[in-house]
Amino acid sequence: KQEVTQIPAALSVPEGENLVLNCSFTDSAIYNLQWFRQDPGKGLTSLLLIQSSQREQTSGRLNASLDKSSGRSTLYIAASQPGDSATYLCKGSGSRLTFGEGTQLTVNP
Amino acid sequence: GAVVSQHPSWVICKSGTSVKIECRSLDFQATTMFWYRQFPKQSLMLMATSNEGSKATYEQGVEKDKFLINHASLTLSTLTVTSAHPEDSSFYICSARVVRANQPQHFGDGTRLSIL
Repeated sequence: KQEVTQIPAALSVPEGENLVLNCSFTDSAIYNLQWFRQDPGKGLTSLLLIQSSQREQTSGRLNASLDKSSGRSTLYIAASQPGDSATYLCKGSGSRLTFGEGTQLTVNP
Repeated sequence: GAVVSQHPSWVICKSGTSVKIECRSLDFQATTMFWYRQFPKQSLMLMATSNEGSKATYEQGVEKDKFLINHASLTLSTLTVTSAHPEDSSFYICSARVVRANQPQHFGDGTRLSIL
């Protein structure tokens, strides 16, 4: 079974900081890796999808990288804003579809 | 972009009631749909995977007679929590995907189920 670990579990930063969220997975035989954000009491919003053949994807202030060989993905958020406050989840799509525990991000004004 | 609609968004009902949750893909054909459960401050746990026209595949520890899943069309899957009890109270989220496994999953907004 795929094990997905996200570090840190929680992160609090002042507005404007650049930050990195980490995701590691045990099964490198993934089709893709998705990053999501979840606001309290809400569903999931897909942020970025990286196919297994890709190394990174960018959308606005977000950049996600994927290193299958080491079983790692990172989500880089540039110039963080209070509206970025949410829980960020990564999910690998492979033989087992598993979520990480998430990183709870708080960006303080 | 692809939209998944989940209904209802909030349900409160008495113990022993059966509750049906609908998950619809609005602008694409979802050959595969997934049902997750999320407890407070925890991540999403996959309950079952359903393919259109086939029986759902349940994860270990999930009672298939308790959580009935029907995926009768390419745009609709339903989860029925039968004879619900307070311990079934949770946040249930569905997601949908087209046939190819390398395609993204699109998530509904979730259903908060509270059993009194």
